[in-house]
Amino acid sequence: NAGVMQNPRHLVRRRGQEARLRCSPMKGHSHVYWYRQLPEEGLKFMVYLQKENIIDESGMPKERFSAEFPKEGPSILRIQQVVRGDSAAYFCASSPGGERETQYFGPGTRLLVL
Amino acid sequence: AQTVTQSQPEMSVQEAETVTLSCTYDTSESDYYLFWYKQPPSRQMILVIRQEAYKQQNATENRFSVNFQKAAKSFSLKISDSQLGDAAMYFCAYRRGFSGNTPLVFGKGTRLSVIA
Repeated sequence: NAGVMQNPRHLVRRRGQEARLRCSPMKGHSHVYWYRQLPEEGLKFMVYLQKENIIDESGMPKERFSAEFPKEGPSILRIQQVVRGDSAAYFCASSPGGERETQYFGPGTRLLVL
Repeated sequence: AQTVTQSQPEMSVQEAETVTLSCTYDTSESDYYLFWYKQPPSRQMILVIRQEAYKQQNATENRFSVNFQKAAKSFSLKISDSQLGDAAMYFCAYRRGFSGNTPLVFGKGTRLSVIA
């Protein structure tokens, strides 16, 4: 059973470009979380999605950031018009659902904005 | 809002010795879950151990055990017989229960070095 997959693992963008980060949850998992880790910091929650629904986006900036988890295919975190402050590691976690379920993390995408 | 505090930015331990990493949290909830995650240089987040707040018994996983003090809101991680592969960042995390799936709240981490 493959783990949570994220791609790309590393992404370099210039200021003003768009960044698209992909997350494929573990097989059988329908719940996806996105977290951001700034250098020397812990992970901070951004958004929680189930298939075709955003459940909680309280941690996601209102502008330039969006997320989706379509019926088919991976979850996408999209950052428009990136700025240097967006440079961070972005982690996706998935769980099968149910209150007592543990979240399992992907390897992360390291975004560098030049 | 819930917060998680790790007061030790860095710790070191001699190989084969025991080390304890501290974590305190603040919540008004009665049902919640606590976790320790390990982040080695590869930056992958690896679940080390998990504790349900309603369970009085401290969780253990091989060389890893916790000391869960609910009244004090303390959740420390003990690593016995430390190995070089234990060197990593360790993050304590909290998740609220009762309300379905909820996100994790992380501390800032403790960097553990293992000395050969």
